[in-house]
Amino acid sequence: RKEVEQDPGPFNVPEGATVAFNCTYSNSASQSFFWYRQDCRKEPKLLMSVYSSGNEDGRFTAQLNRASQYISLLIRDSKLSDSATYLCVVNTASNFGNEKLTFGTGTRLTIIP
Amino acid sequence: NAGVTQTPKFRILKIGQSMTLQCTQDMNHNYMYWYRQDPGMGLKLIYYSVGAGITDKGEVPNGYNVSRSTTEDFPLRLELAAPSQTSVYFCASSYSRGWSTEAFFGQGTRLTVV
Repeated sequence: RKEVEQDPGPFNVPEGATVAFNCTYSNSASQSFFWYRQDCRKEPKLLMSVYSSGNEDGRFTAQLNRASQYISLLIRDSKLSDSATYLCVVNTASNFGNEKLTFGTGTRLTIIP
Repeated sequence: NAGVTQTPKFRILKIGQSMTLQCTQDMNHNYMYWYRQDPGMGLKLIYYSVGAGITDKGEVPNGYNVSRSTTEDFPLRLELAAPSQTSVYFCASSYSRGWSTEAFFGQGTRLTVV
């Protein structure tokens, strides 16, 4: 089983719609969680951290379910500029107790005018 | 602000050649990472480092070597380049332990092995 799994999509969504992505992780000891955004041929950039109680940043809502080991991202009122690949990232303990960031394969989103 | 700087941005190598991808960061981050991203795929961890003098293998270390002699620099060495190493390489850095472990990425090195 992969450490972090995402539906690769693509998701083609009309402008103004709501879209949701899920991500599952295998290591129950994982400590922190993030959503990154990657535009075509660019480097990934942090979109938002995911807190245990859930958190919101404008049109974006992230939630964490530790019992089921999944993370979600909800985008409301989608804009053309939201078209990108969304990467689920988990901070897991590696060998010798060190931490490492593990990336999912990403979910590709295209907003259609 | 410089952040994470990678050089070169593009490179074409012949099979069997070697090269070093350079990465430097000016944020005094302890953790540094090398990822590769194949077309249409996610990021795969090659090597990472938790501080100067300490490195560990990631998911796909074969064919690569790293060193971390300073906090700022984390070069990635390719020996005997193979077509399977054609990819985009990203270097990243982050703070050490804590819930807010945001990673900052360089702009990537696009490598083609022919």
